[in-house]
Amino acid sequence: QVQLQESGPGLVKPSQALSLTCTVSGGSISSGHYYWSWIRQHPGKGLEWIGYIYHSGTTYYSPSLKSRVTISVDTSKNQFSLKLSSVTAADTAVYYCARDRATAYYFDYWGLGTLVTVSS
Amino acid sequence: QSALTQPASVSGSPGQSITISCTGTSSDVGSYKLVSWYQQHPGKAPKLMIYEDNKRPSGVSNRFSGSKSGNTASLTISGLQAEDEADYYCCSYAGDTSVVFGGGTKLTVL
Repeated sequence: QVQLQESGPGLVKPSQALSLTCTVSGGSISSGHYYWSWIRQHPGKGLEWIGYIYHSGTTYYSPSLKSRVTISVDTSKNQFSLKLSSVTAADTAVYYCARDRATAYYFDYWGLGTLVTVSS
Repeated sequence: QSALTQPASVSGSPGQSITISCTGTSSDVGSYKLVSWYQQHPGKAPKLMIYEDNKRPSGVSNRFSGSKSGNTASLTISGLQAEDEADYYCCSYAGDTSVVFGGGTKLTVL
């Protein structure tokens, strides 16, 4: 059974960078069948796709966040990471990592999510 | 890339059927057989219910079904149960390896 777990600071100051890591267990991140994704949910709002990474390091980002997002992968640790720069209060959200079935574009496994609050 | 349009809320009584619509455009929903649906209970992570328009993952009740006509996808839940009360989100491939979610629909079981 694949499991994903987000980790990282729950509080980030405005203008700083938000950094989160997703650790994958029960399956290899190097499998060629999946993209590894970040999705966020503002409090009381809907889901927003941030982007994903393939095990090779190829990345795809949401056009609305592309200028501030970097997703990276560490296959040796079976982890992938999100960095969102220049955050504001509008970036306060629950951040989920998820596995995306490559070329079919559905998210079959999700982490529990982690709340990141942007505040001074 | 605009969010897909879903009704804010729907409701139904136990045993009834309900349908949640998800309207996109010819650039997303209407162009690909790649709509998925997610159920989210309060404080929990989303759960995949339907993928590729109308396929059900193993373990998902056959009371859940997906369909599509033109630029509008639909999720139907038959034989409503109290445990179905949750938020539901649609998602579609939108080209250029991007995806877009709907705004979500709150299902209330009366």
